[in-house]
Amino acid sequence: DTEVTQTPKHLVMGMTNKKSLKCEQHMGHRAMYWYKQKAKKPPELMFVYSYEKLSINESVPSRFSPECPNSSLLNLHLHALQPEDSALYLCASSRGTSGGADTQYFGPGTRLTVL
Amino acid sequence: AQSVTQLDSQVPVFEEAPVELRCNYSSSVSVYLFWYVQYPNQGLQLLLKYLSGSTLVKGINGFEAEFNKSQTSFHLRKPSVHISDTAEYFCAVSEGGYSSASKIIFGSGTRLSIRP
Repeated sequence: DTEVTQTPKHLVMGMTNKKSLKCEQHMGHRAMYWYKQKAKKPPELMFVYSYEKLSINESVPSRFSPECPNSSLLNLHLHALQPEDSALYLCASSRGTSGGADTQYFGPGTRLTVL
Repeated sequence: AQSVTQLDSQVPVFEEAPVELRCNYSSSVSVYLFWYVQYPNQGLQLLLKYLSGSTLVKGINGFEAEFNKSQTSFHLRKPSVHISDTAEYFCAVSEGGYSSASKIIFGSGTRLSIRP
């Protein structure tokens, strides 16, 4: 099983709302990632968790708050977002044993619209 | 710092014709190179990767790529494309220095459109 699942598929929220994106994998991977992808652009790395600890934060605004409750689950909590945060949010995971040589497996993404 | 350049933003090709998508990278250390494909409204899927060894790498869906260290290139090829190959293709390099997680740097992408 090489599947990464993400929920919800689509999310529309106002600028004062609080919402969460969820990502799950059951491949035994120990590294998990959040990316943001704007239309016609490549994915941009936001956060990396390695063995449930935050290892990379790419200077993401504090209105995005990641959480890794266990090795299979990754959340992204959203609060007071701006319209420019509308994008496809992708989750990925990798084994976490071979560093740069590991393949990242991507989920289908959550399409977020901020009104 | 590592970087990836995809020279063509769009490549239109007729069905059953061959295609080459170009990718150049810059790095001062050993690299791991990847090609990912993204179909409309979907996530990214790995086509193939180069870690070491043979410079010709075969991937899924009939794609292959050749690692050329002297030209710092990793071009993707397919001898005969199908309508179903219409997608965005991303070349990527993995940044070293991490023992567990990997940090991927993506190129800007090439949109492959197949004409019947």
